[in-house]
Amino acid sequence: NAGVTQTPKFRILKIGQSMTLQCTQDMNHNYMYWYRQDPGMGLKLIYYSVGAGITDKGEVPNGYNVSRSTTEDFPLRLELAAPSQTSVYFCASSYSDRGSSPLHFGNGTRLTVT
Amino acid sequence: QKEVEQNSGPLSVPEGAIASLNCTYSDRGSQSFFWYRQYSGKSPELIMFIYSNGDKEDGRFTAQLNKASQYVSLLIRDSQPSDSATYLCAVTNFNKFYFGSGTKLNVKP
Repeated sequence: NAGVTQTPKFRILKIGQSMTLQCTQDMNHNYMYWYRQDPGMGLKLIYYSVGAGITDKGEVPNGYNVSRSTTEDFPLRLELAAPSQTSVYFCASSYSDRGSSPLHFGNGTRLTVT
Repeated sequence: QKEVEQNSGPLSVPEGAIASLNCTYSDRGSQSFFWYRQYSGKSPELIMFIYSNGDKEDGRFTAQLNKASQYVSLLIRDSQPSDSATYLCAVTNFNKFYFGSGTKLNVKP
């Protein structure tokens, strides 16, 4: 059981380039999330999805886009990368919106924009 | 803006002592409260959650929740050097999880 899988693990982008961070989960979870974590900081919610075809903005959505065509996959798209997007990105999933359903995290993608 | 506040630390305790980690939150509508542990360079891992006022114990860990004071804490008994990590508090409002910036704990042998 792989859980939440993120690719790539590391990536260096030049300013203005674009890329897609991949996230897939095999737990049949409806809820999926993208967070970013800057050094010494907590996690900030970028986008989330409550099911296939449904996405919504979190706290820091600017500069990012998402899609959710299947239950398993929730890719995060960065358009026109900027140095401010240098961060560690975590994808997470949960079983339901019930309060006792915790987040399961992927191993993260460390992104540097130079 | 939903705010979750934690003292960034570092909190240093000797091995075998009790470590007390605190978290306050601004949204009275918050429903559940989670503690995650994060080792350097790793992803957060769940320690425990609580959603009712009072205490909840799981092994060496006890979570305490006081909704009237909008306060949640985590006690770690018999602290071990392997407990040295950053502890993240998270609160939920329906399907959104909001995280504090974390408290760094150092347990000295």
